[in-house]
Amino acid sequence: GESVGLHLPTLSVQEGDNSIINCAYSNSASDYFIWYKQESGKGPQFIIDIRSNMDKRQGQRVTVLLNKTVKHLSLQIAATQPGDSAVYFCAERRGGKLIFGQGTELSVKP
Amino acid sequence: GAGVSQSPSNKVTEKGKDVELRCDPISGHTALYWYRQSLGQGLEFLIYFQGNSAPDKSGLPSDRFSAERTGGSVSTLTIQRTQQEDSAVYLCASSGDMDRVNEQYFGPGTRLTVT
Repeated sequence: GESVGLHLPTLSVQEGDNSIINCAYSNSASDYFIWYKQESGKGPQFIIDIRSNMDKRQGQRVTVLLNKTVKHLSLQIAATQPGDSAVYFCAERRGGKLIFGQGTELSVKP
Repeated sequence: GAGVSQSPSNKVTEKGKDVELRCDPISGHTALYWYRQSLGQGLEFLIYFQGNSAPDKSGLPSDRFSAERTGGSVSTLTIQRTQQEDSAVYLCASSGDMDRVNEQYFGPGTRLTVT
């Protein structure tokens, strides 16, 4: 069936570097794309979303890019910190629900 | 303020038994969602409730799974005749309304182990 998936299951970066987490999606009908962060033992936490008619949105230290031509979504984290270590999920909104991808585990090395 | 709470935090049950998982959403949130997360996997949508509308049950994996939401607040997810493949973390989330479905607030989850 339709799904939202990720290119890489794990990503390791040095503290202070920028991180880029990628996601591919298959359904062009989704009206929003969203990123969530899940720390160990906790439920996911909303980070940022982007409407499907936009190609870039910035938040605090994070930027989401949407390329509808190749159905690709990315989350950029500036100056990655140890507290950013977590699993990051992309999700797409279809109607009243979210369809989540498999997740990328981000590990930040001190 | 209080976030989404779930109980129990852990549940171990024998194959074939029924289990009930509880979710207390954030007060005033009209939308409530249930997801299942297997080890190292993403979140699998199960069901969602929005106000007084009929729930979207399209994600329930079998007729052994059911959920209800009483009084527009607390929700219970029931799994009958549990199987080992039901072992997972069951997450509940709530959001303010249909316009805020992107920003869901998740509880800590119930870890279900079926032996």
